[in-house]
Amino acid sequence: AQKVTQAQTEISVVEKEDVTLDCVYETRDTTYYLFWYKQPPSGELVFLIRRNSFDEQNEISGRYSWNFQKSTSSFNFTITASQVVDSAVYFCALSEATFTTGANSKLTFGKGITLSVRP
Amino acid sequence: EAQVTQNPRYLITVTGKKLTVTCSQNMNHEYMSWYRQDPGLGLRQIYYSMNVEVTDKGDVPEGYKVSRKEKRNFPLILESPSPNQTSLYFCASSLYRTVQETQYFGPGTRLLVL
Repeated sequence: AQKVTQAQTEISVVEKEDVTLDCVYETRDTTYYLFWYKQPPSGELVFLIRRNSFDEQNEISGRYSWNFQKSTSSFNFTITASQVVDSAVYFCALSEATFTTGANSKLTFGKGITLSVRP
Repeated sequence: EAQVTQNPRYLITVTGKKLTVTCSQNMNHEYMSWYRQDPGLGLRQIYYSMNVEVTDKGDVPEGYKVSRKEKRNFPLILESPSPNQTSLYFCASSLYRTVQETQYFGPGTRLLVL
């Protein structure tokens, strides 16, 4: 069963618009971590944020903000006043406690959301 | 500079010709892992290693081998590549294997198997 769902596959906005990327996850663990990575057109994966399952405070970093809601198993990412440089594929990922995945702390990724910001 | 490096970055090969993609990290990380990225599928784990001489299968290990003889290196070996292994490959590492560790990724290797 898919454990990280990014239902939006492609989003296109005009520069300066706000955009929210959705992420819904599924886990039976009480201890887990959620991540967002950015993959720009150059192809590398850039770490953006890590959030643990016990901290539901929203986080803001410049134009980026993240909303974590355990009640809905969601960890959404909002870009305020989007810019062309924000164009990329964004991945949400889940890391579960080792007693679920055994000795492996693998990341389970969503399928990614392609964000295009037009000038 | 702390980083994960992969070589080569781009590779075109033919079916059946053995190849190795190298991965190296300079952060003294214990945990290393290989993922492949395919359109519409996100990233899937191929193999991982918790430390030197300790490796295990991920979700899609068929057709791949790995080794971990040194802490810093974790090569991915395709003994007999096939076209369905055409993909974008990422190596990643983290300090430990525990759930809270952030994995840092290499720049990726684009492989085309003809």
